[in-house]
Amino acid sequence: ETGVTQSPTHLIKTRGQQVTLRCSSQSGHNTVSWYQQALGQGPQFIFQYYREEENGRGNFPPRFSGLQFPNYSSELNVNALELDDSALYLCASSLKGGAYNDQFFGPGTRLTVL
Amino acid sequence: DQQVKQNSPSLSVQEGRISILNCDYTNSMFDYFLWYKKYPAEGPTFLISISSIKDKNEDGRFTVFLNKSAKHLSLHIVPSQPGDSAVYFCAALDPNFGNEKLTFGTGTRLTIIP
Repeated sequence: ETGVTQSPTHLIKTRGQQVTLRCSSQSGHNTVSWYQQALGQGPQFIFQYYREEENGRGNFPPRFSGLQFPNYSSELNVNALELDDSALYLCASSLKGGAYNDQFFGPGTRLTVL
Repeated sequence: DQQVKQNSPSLSVQEGRISILNCDYTNSMFDYFLWYKKYPAEGPTFLISISSIKDKNEDGRFTVFLNKSAKHLSLHIVPSQPGDSAVYFCAALDPNFGNEKLTFGTGTRLTIIP
């Protein structure tokens, strides 16, 4: 049983650029949630994808968008990067309707915006 | 609007002693609470949880207490071990969203002194 993986591990972008982060969900999971963890803060919910559709969104602007693929992997896209987008981006996979504690996190992608 | 708060950014405890990590919440609709542990370069991993219908849940060295009237929960680790050194996040589930959206606190860095 493979765990949640994310790529890349870290990357550096400049303000105004666009970035795509990737997440492979744990085997058997059909839901992916994305979180942003700024320095010194707890993870904040960005959005969730289930059955290839957005299934709820946190307080993030539309330039944060995502995709989920038939194999349940997911992408997070951020357009027009701003300095405040620098953070650790975590994805978590789960099974819709599963146990409350059955949400597994990947190691994250560290994004630095200069 | 910080709905889940961990007011102690850091805590140092002697090995073998009890570690007590605290968490407060403001949303009385939260009905399930979880503690996650995070090591550097890894995603948060689930540690222990408690439903709002209970006031205590125990799992080995870890016990979580919930005081609904005070909107307060705490995690007790006894005895503390060096491997417990990590950042601990308190999180709550939003019943309006289902079982996947987690609202996290800002975390407490626990250091166990050998």
